[in-house]
Amino acid sequence: QKEVEQDPGPLSVPEGAIVSLNCTYSNSAFQYFMWYRQYSRKGPELLMYTYSSGNKEDGRFTAQVDKSSKYISLFIRDSQPSDSATYLCAMSAVSGYSTLTFGKGTMLLVSP
Amino acid sequence: GAVVSQHPSRVICKSGTSVKIECRSLDFQATTMFWYRQFPKKSLMLMATSNEGSKATYEQGVEKDKFLINHASLTLSTLTVTSAHPEDSSFYICSARAADSTDTQYFGPGTRLTVL
Repeated sequence: QKEVEQDPGPLSVPEGAIVSLNCTYSNSAFQYFMWYRQYSRKGPELLMYTYSSGNKEDGRFTAQVDKSSKYISLFIRDSQPSDSATYLCAMSAVSGYSTLTFGKGTMLLVSP
Repeated sequence: GAVVSQHPSRVICKSGTSVKIECRSLDFQATTMFWYRQFPKKSLMLMATSNEGSKATYEQGVEKDKFLINHASLTLSTLTVTSAHPEDSSFYICSARAADSTDTQYFGPGTRLTVL
């Protein structure tokens, strides 16, 4: 079993839809969770950073972490064509000292 | 804030030559920088971790003599691909972790290397 599992997609939705992106993981030591957005041929851009379980909201984006289920989610409200990108989840065990473990990324396509 | 730049953005070279890629943190000090490689439609593969002033730590399977990493200052790390071959063609991305000790990594825009 891989440490981080993420459905590669593509996930196709119409403009305005609510998008749900998810990752599962196996390492219970992970405490820090991130979502990155990567446009084609560009470097990943940090979207959300959360620690431990709970929700975090930033504009149209909401990140959820359920450590008991080893499951994290990113919700995008009112999706826009400009949200079309690959979304990577990433996680780590020890802040400031450990490397990130990435999911493979989910490609999202938002059609106008 | 938290901007990381990479130079060049794109490079084409002949087989057997060496190529240097620079990674700079523009508005923060980065105690640690990371180098990743990404193949088309694949996730990021960590190549090495570099801490300022010390030798880089390479991931298993990454040849340290082929991928030379130097982290001379808190804002600059370089990756040199030596004696490049066509199979080294890839998208190389660096990231930098701020000295504030969170695990947030800020990524550069990437460098597309093509070896002919």
